[in-house]
Parts: sequence; structure tokens; C-alpha cells
Amino acid sequence: RKEVEQDPGPFNVPEGATVAFNCTYSNSASQSFFWYRQDCRKEPKLLMSVYSSGNEDGRFTAQLNRASQYISLLIRDSKLSDSATYLCVVTPRVSWGKFQFGAGTQVVVTP
Amino acid sequence: EAQVTQNPRYLITVTGKKLTVTCSQNMNHEYMSWYRQDPGLGLRQIYYSMNVEVTDKGDVPEGYKVSRKEKRNFPLILESPSPNQTSLYFCASSPSAETQYFGPGTRLLVL
Repeated sequence: RKEVEQDPGPFNVPEGATVAFNCTYSNSASQSFFWYRQDCRKEPKLLMSVYSSGNEDGRFTAQLNRASQYISLLIRDSKLSDSATYLCVVTPRVSWGKFQFGAGTQVVVTP
Repeated sequence: EAQVTQNPRYLITVTGKKLTVTCSQNMNHEYMSWYRQDPGLGLRQIYYSMNVEVTDKGDVPEGYKVSRKEKRNFPLILESPSPNQTSLYFCASSPSAETQYFGPGTRLLVL
């Protein structure tokens, strides 16, 4: 079983709609959580960190559910430019420096 | 401009021919890391470095070497490349082993 799992998608979303997807992690001692965005095998870029209380950045909302060991990302009012692969990233324990990536969830926003 | 650079960006080589992929950052970050990305597997961490002369293995270190003799550079060395090391490689740096800034990637084909 992979340490970090994501639904690969694609999630096909009409422009203006809302899309949400999850990422599950297997290590209950995981410490930090992030969502990165990757366009067409270019370099990943940080979208947002995920805090225990949940956090929002514009149209993006991230949630953490430690009990069920998953994080989620919700995108409201989807734009064509939101089409990308979204990578879930977890630091597995209190050991600075190690990161585990999910394989990514592809989102395709259609006109 | 703050950036992470990698060279070469594209490389075709043959089995057994030693190669080095360079990574350099101009942000004075202490943390640097190497990843490989393969379809369906996501990014997997090869090695990371918390500071000069400090390196640690990631999840897939076999067949790779690194060095960190100065803060800005973190080269990845393949002493004897094999076809299973054909991949897309990313270098990343971070001021705190949290948010990472990625280089543009190096596409390696080993024949």
C-alpha cells in the first residue's frame, strides 16, 4: 500500500463549478501537509499548506481530518486555468526533511 | 530573480556512463532535495540535505550519490546509470524544510 494515495482522476469540471478531492495517508504520525500544483510535467509549485483547523486561500479550501487520515482540497468557481495535476504532500513524522508525495489528481476544467 | 536551476535539462546517455546533474539555488536556502517522477508513482525522494555537509537518504537512494560542499549547490551523481533510472528529476530547495521551490526538471533517458 502506498504511503500517500490520491484518486488519479481526471475530474472533469465545467467552468464555474466546484470540485473536491481527497488524499489519504497511512502514517498516523504524519506532521505536515501540503497541496502542490503541477502543470504538464513542469515543476510542482506550492498551492497551500494544510493546517489542522482548515484554511482557505481565495477559491481554494483545504481541510485536514486526522482521525480518518486524509486531507482534502476544494476548488470553487473553477477557472480554465485551474486545469492541472494536484499533488498531495505529507511529511511522514517528526523528521525534518523527508517528504512523501501522492501520485496526483488531475483536474480538467472545461468551457 | 530567486530560482532553482538544473543542468542539463535533457540528457540521453548509455548504461554505465557516469553522469552528474547539477542543481543550484540563489536563495540561500539550507535545505535541498532531489526527487524522481515516474508515471503513476508521483515524486519520490532520492536524497536530501539539511545543510552543508549534511545529507540523508530519501525513499529511493539506490544508484545515486549526492554531495553538499556549499550551500547553493547540490549535484546528483549517477555513477553507473541503468535504464531503470530513466525518469524526470527535480531538485528543490527550502528555507525551512517546509515549503519547497522546485527547479525546472531534468529529463533523463538511459539506453
